[in-house]
Amino acid sequence: SQQGEEDPQALSIQEGENATMNCSYKTSINNLQWYRQNSGRGLVHLILIRSNEREKHSGRLRVTLDTSKKSSSLLITASRAADTASYFCATAEYTQGGSEKLVFGKGTKLTVNP
Amino acid sequence: NAGVTQTPKFQVLKTGQSMTLQCAQDMNHNSMYWYRQDPGMGLRLIYYSASEGTTDKGEVPNGYNVSRLNKREFSLRLESAAPSQTSVYFCASSESTGPYQETQYFGPGTRLLVL
Repeated sequence: SQQGEEDPQALSIQEGENATMNCSYKTSINNLQWYRQNSGRGLVHLILIRSNEREKHSGRLRVTLDTSKKSSSLLITASRAADTASYFCATAEYTQGGSEKLVFGKGTKLTVNP
Repeated sequence: NAGVTQTPKFQVLKTGQSMTLQCAQDMNHNSMYWYRQDPGMGLRLIYYSASEGTTDKGEVPNGYNVSRLNKREFSLRLESAAPSQTSVYFCASSESTGPYQETQYFGPGTRLLVL
């Protein structure tokens, strides 16, 4: 099944710097989502970008989508220690029954040092 | 409004024991999901329920069964636990599994250790 693959696997930056994470996928999509997971917690939805959108903003988050390259990036500006978490991209895959289900990548572990 | 709740939070089993993980959502969502997450891995879908009364296999269904008890509740059962099922289990829900997959809301997870 198709799967988003995040790059890099781990990223360590200083507070105030920007963090960029990338996601590549294999087949056509309707939308791509980014989720955050704090250590020991469940995933929290950050942003959804549809296939006909190229860029989307939410607070300090900026997501881009390039369907020709089958890739997306998540930019966190002016990072804070509280942004320390793992970030996952997720793409929708059709099931045999015709419904869609999300397929998650392995994630990028972001550490923001104070 | 609690969102998605899971019980128990932690569980230790011996090989061969059975148990049921409970999940409930109070958002009136149609679709519910069970995932497992292993160290350094993303989430892998075990089973999902597109709507009340239906269940379907995901990527890694072997060794598990599910029950969509009603619209709110979706349980995951391990009939005979194996060490390979040591993992963190997450339940999630969404409004639907329609053409444009909507946001999924996750529970806090159940940490399971099988000895």
